[in-house]
Amino acid sequence: GAGVSQSPSNKVTEKGKDVELRCDPISGHTALYWYRQSLGQGLEFLIYFQGNSAPDKSGLPSDRFSAERTGGSVSTLTIQRTQQEDSAVYLCASSLGPGNTIYFGEGSWLTVV
Amino acid sequence: KNQVEQSPQSLIILEGKNCTLQCNYTVSPFSNLRWYKQDTGRGPVSLTIMTFSENTKSNGRYTATLDADTKQSSLHITASQLSDSASYICVVSASRGGNQFYFGTGTSLTVIP
Repeated sequence: GAGVSQSPSNKVTEKGKDVELRCDPISGHTALYWYRQSLGQGLEFLIYFQGNSAPDKSGLPSDRFSAERTGGSVSTLTIQRTQQEDSAVYLCASSLGPGNTIYFGEGSWLTVV
Repeated sequence: KNQVEQSPQSLIILEGKNCTLQCNYTVSPFSNLRWYKQDTGRGPVSLTIMTFSENTKSNGRYTATLDADTKQSSLHITASQLSDSASYICVVSASRGGNQFYFGTGTSLTVIP
């Protein structure tokens, strides 16, 4: 596609429910990143996929968070048993490869009530 | 420790005035530095990218400078417009594989008429 596409753009969920956030990177981009941005805060790294290599999961805040990338393209970030502190914007980004400019999607706004 | 610090945290200026945003970093080994603009409710968009050998880079009314010796960068906005109101994020890349982007917390700029 022309840009990084994320869905849903907005999601309101009840505490304790599971949510899935989807990212469709730019075609041909081998690197994919997930970041979290809380209101008024900087971007927090969550997870990084590069080609067929094992993902860098060092930023995931707890075992309730997981992500996968199928076929080297679309990625899904799953948050289980959501908590109110999970409320944030979840930004996906992709790049041609390590070190190349990263292009961000518009984000998925998650609100846990 | 790899860190990126931005100042000021927020800034309000009159339309038509110039302003300068600062970014100091301790990322090593340094690869490049990018400035991103993030409009409210949108994903960040790349403005400029500079490598070690580049001192200045312009993109319209935006001019970024880099002093690799002192590990400082600035983003100068000339003749500000209302549409410049946004958060400006400094991102520094390390020259190694994997997740190598380090983000500042951003400067929130508000341009008022």
